Amino acid sequence: GENVEQHPSTLSVQEGDSAVIKCTYSDSASNYFPWYKQELGKGPQLIIDIRSNVGEKKDQRIAVTLNKTAKHFSLHITETQPEDSAVYFCAAREGNFNKFYFGSGTKLNVKP
Amino acid sequence: NAGVTQTPKFQVLKTGQSMTLQCAQDMNHNSMYWYRQDPGMGLRLIYYSASEGTTDKGEVPNGYNVSRLNKREFSLRLESAAPSQTSVYFCASQGSSYNEQFFGPGTRLTVL
Repeated sequence: GENVEQHPSTLSVQEGDSAVIKCTYSDSASNYFPWYKQELGKGPQLIIDIRSNVGEKKDQRIAVTLNKTAKHFSLHITETQPEDSAVYFCAAREGNFNKFYFGSGTKLNVKP
Repeated sequence: NAGVTQTPKFQVLKTGQSMTLQCAQDMNHNSMYWYRQDPGMGLRLIYYSASEGTTDKGEVPNGYNVSRLNKREFSLRLESAAPSQTSVYFCASQGSSYNEQFFGPGTRLTVL
């Protein structure tokens, strides 16, 4: 099955700085890569996603890049704000199946 | 719309007891999922149901059973709970292959 690794496990930045979270995957057949934000005591919520036929996608302050050759994808958050503090998860969808594999999560702390 | 609802929110069991976690969605989604979340391990797929009447194993199915009762409801059963099943359980639903997964608020289960 797919194996998704996520780094770093914790990330602390100053408000206004950028944050980057990186993930690698093992299965070249994986074709869809969502990113989720989880606030304390709540379920994960999708913030951005990218399909395997696209190299980059941007939505206001967040962007995701995908390198299929190297099998890695990254989340970029610019102009971070205290409300961005949460746990972020990357995931990969296995081929044509509805199976999703998640990274271990990154706890982002944005200091005011 | 309530989205994805889960009951109960909290549960404490003794080793060997059984229980069923309930999940319902009101978004007319075809696919539903059960995940467990453990510290430092992200979310791991237990079982999923691509459509009403079908269920498939995920990464960690041992010790669990599921029922896709109808299109709205997908339950997870622990027949004989073990301390290793102490975790937070999330249910999710998804409309189509590339659509986001919507997560419920989670059930925090402790097995003593």
